[in-house]
Amino acid sequence: EAGVAQSPRYKIIEKRQSVAFWCNPISGHATLYWYQQILGQGPKLLIQFQNNGVVDDSQLPKDRFSAERLKGVDSTLKIQPAKLEDSAVYLCASSLDWTSGGADTQYFGPGTRLTVL
Amino acid sequence: GQNIDQPTEMTATEGAIVQINCTYQTSGFNGLFWYQQHAGEAPTFLSYNVLDGLEEKGRFSSFLSRSKGYSYLLLKELQMKDSASYLCAVRDSNYQLIWGAGTKLIIKP
Repeated sequence: EAGVAQSPRYKIIEKRQSVAFWCNPISGHATLYWYQQILGQGPKLLIQFQNNGVVDDSQLPKDRFSAERLKGVDSTLKIQPAKLEDSAVYLCASSLDWTSGGADTQYFGPGTRLTVL
Repeated sequence: GQNIDQPTEMTATEGAIVQINCTYQTSGFNGLFWYQQHAGEAPTFLSYNVLDGLEEKGRFSSFLSRSKGYSYLLLKELQMKDSASYLCAVRDSNYQLIWGAGTKLIIKP
């Protein structure tokens, strides 16, 4: 079974530029998550989708970040304009169905390491 | 507020046993996860506990005490490849995962 795919793996941009990340979840997984992870910290949830609907985007800086999952499969996360503090690893994860109960397990993609100069 | 506490860093010797503790204060409890994360890589799932007691999976075991808000991950027969960060995460009453900052485990020969 293929895992969660993400691209690109690395990205270096100047501040105020825009950037987009792509994620393809495990086939059949209804729930998709985008996390931001800063070195030495745990993952911080940015947004959670159930199929093509948003479950939680309370920690998404909506003035600069946006995300979509239009057909309920692939997802993109965009930052526009980027700031220095956005330098982090952006992780995409998917799970079978978060409404199914406590044991629903998240599986992570390899992440995108973003450096903002 | 919701809080997960783990030691920042631990050091152990190859072949030994190490216990990584996790204490939590969350609004409700619907299970606790342990993930392993090697440097520069994504977290990978290790274990899930929802009932009190010990769950053993090869060299790794995970323990949960819901009344104490406490869990630990026990790693036996340590190998150099076990050098990684270990993340504790708790599912709260809204079924959201609350993540700890992780424990960096350094294995010395």
